[in-house]
Amino acid sequence: QVQLVESGGGVVQPGGSLRLSCAASGFTFRSYVMHWVRQAPGKGLEWVAFIRYDGSNKYYTDSVKGRFTISRDNSKNTLYLQMNSLRAEDTAVYYCAKDKAARPHYYYYMDVWGKGTTVTVSS
Amino acid sequence: DIVMTQSPDSLAVSLGERATINCKSSQSVFSSSNNKNFLAWYQQKPGQPPKLLIYWASTRESGVPDRFSGSGSGTDFTLTISSLQAEDVAVYSCQQYSSTPPTFGQGTKLEIK
Repeated sequence: QVQLVESGGGVVQPGGSLRLSCAASGFTFRSYVMHWVRQAPGKGLEWVAFIRYDGSNKYYTDSVKGRFTISRDNSKNTLYLQMNSLRAEDTAVYYCAKDKAARPHYYYYMDVWGKGTTVTVSS
Repeated sequence: DIVMTQSPDSLAVSLGERATINCKSSQSVFSSSNNKNFLAWYQQKPGQPPKLLIYWASTRESGVPDRFSGSGSGTDFTLTISSLQAEDVAVYSCQQYSSTPPTFGQGTKLEIK
């Protein structure tokens, strides 16, 4: 079955770094753009980043530009989010999500979500 | 960025009754290029990830019960649950994907009265 499994979350001090991973299975990973979406405690959903099928294009929400890097390894069916210079406001559950549309299309809405991994930034 | 505003923030409805959730965008999310509204609805139960219910404002995702329906165009949209079931207790969020960044509404918490 189609599945996304995130890992790599944890507790980190402000200014620290974490690398999240998302293992995909059950679909042709290289044919879909992928997203990271986060949800702060008790808050709504916030889109974080997007990466095209081959990693050629990446987009970020303004608050993480220059600090976060999205990447993918299609040979390993894995999506990544490198998070540097972490701030308290980055505390959230981070979800990886698959775009609904298959290559060559993409539309920025998501039909498959992982269970999420929790990132806590605190001293 | 397009701001998505949902109303109400919370809603209590009796089992078997209709539930209606509204979503308003700060700009139109309609595209004349494909004659579609770039609007999705998600359901999120406690401790679970979001689940896609509706896309293109009114297209039900595969496997979603037909008691869920979406309507609206331009800047005003509605998610309707025609006959509320106990398993529909959740937070419902709208999302626009008309422009980058995609943005979500703040969520509407649906409970049983």
